[in-house]
This record gives sequence, structure tokens and C-alpha cells, in this order.
Amino acid sequence: AQSVTQLDSQVPVFEEAPVELRCNYSSSVSVYLFWYVQYPNQGLQLLLKYLSGSTLVKGINGFEAEFNKSQTSFHLRKPSVHISDTAEYFCAVSLYGGATNKLIFGTGTLLAVQP
Amino acid sequence: DTAVSQTPKYLVTQMGNDKSIKCEQNLGHDTMYWYKQDSKKFLKIMFSYNNKELIINETVPNRFSPKSPDKAHLNLHINSLELGDSAVYFCASSPTTAQWRGGRTDTQYFGPGTRLTVL
Repeated sequence: AQSVTQLDSQVPVFEEAPVELRCNYSSSVSVYLFWYVQYPNQGLQLLLKYLSGSTLVKGINGFEAEFNKSQTSFHLRKPSVHISDTAEYFCAVSLYGGATNKLIFGTGTLLAVQP
Repeated sequence: DTAVSQTPKYLVTQMGNDKSIKCEQNLGHDTMYWYKQDSKKFLKIMFSYNNKELIINETVPNRFSPKSPDKAHLNLHINSLELGDSAVYFCASSPTTAQWRGGRTDTQYFGPGTRLTVL
């Protein structure tokens, strides 16, 4: 079975500081990896995804993530955060070559940007 | 021009009632999903339909019944509501479902959510 672990439930950071949100996954087969963002009282929006190729993936709003197969990680980074980045961030996986696009989510990390 | 819409946005009801949540997508996608987000923000898939055919049916009480009248709509009906059903329910859609065509996977587009409160 596949699982996703986001160890940090909340990450407080000051505006313009860098941030890293951690994501580790467990799977016996290859997976696709995703980061979604949920702003307060809104639905989820895709930030970026890793399917294949370069392990460094760039997404919207200046975010990027690096796939590390040996460490089964897909950490999300931003060099300088803004107040508007305050939101819940979810890491997710789906099975490579699966019959469906079922997403398995982590428990989310609240990024709290302070002025 | 909302891509994935859900109605209602908020739903407050008594235990034991039956309620429905509607979802519509105007993206021309073949596949739609229902997810449940609990009070701890944990998201879990419940159902998925591809072209009106049920393809994912996770371990969900049979009080929950999805209905897809056409591929642009996926409604969720809940019978005999219980306190534990209180959650935010998200609808999503994606162009296709099967990954084996080209080894790709499709991005899922989420609706704004329906916050269900059972009293």
C-alpha cells in the first residue's frame, strides 16, 4: 500500500524568509508526485507535479520541489515567501501505470507566514 | 465560467436526514471524483466515475451513494446522516482516468468544497 507522510503539521515563517515543506512517501511501485495548495475556505489547486525526467520541478507562485528517489522524498521549497502564501499544503501520490488516477494525500502542512 | 462547481457551499442538517450535494464540471473531462476532508484536514478519496461508470469505490458506508447522470455531473447522496459525516466534501475532475495510455497521469481540478455539518 502507498502512504504519504508530512511530518510538519504547521510551519511558521517570517515574510521573505525561505521555506521547505517536507514530504516523504512509501510505495513498492513507482509513483507520480504532487503538491496541492488549499487557501482558506477554498478548494485545492495544483502547485506542481513530478511525472518523470528532471528531478527538480518548478511550479506556480515561485515554488519548486525536488524528487529524491533514494530518500523517497518530494520536499517543497520557496526561496522567499509572502503573506499570501499562507495556506495548507498537501503532498500526494498516485500510482504509475495505475488503472485510475486515485490520489493518496498526506495530512497537510499549514504554512503560516508572519509579517 | 467556474470549472468545477458544487452546491450547496454550506449544508447544516439534523442527524437522520437525507441530503444531496451536486457537482458539475464544464471542462469536458471524462472522470470525476468525490473526496472527504475531515476535521483534521485529512483528504481521502471516496468515489470516482469515468464516463458515468463507477471505477473507484473506497470503503465508504453504503449510506453514501454517488450518481452520475452524465459525464459532466457527479452528485453525492447521503442517507441517514450521522455526526461523523460532518466534513468538507470536495468534487474533482480530470480529463481521463487510465494512466496506461502514454504512461501519463492527469491533473485533478477541485471544486470549492461543501461544508456539511450534522447536528
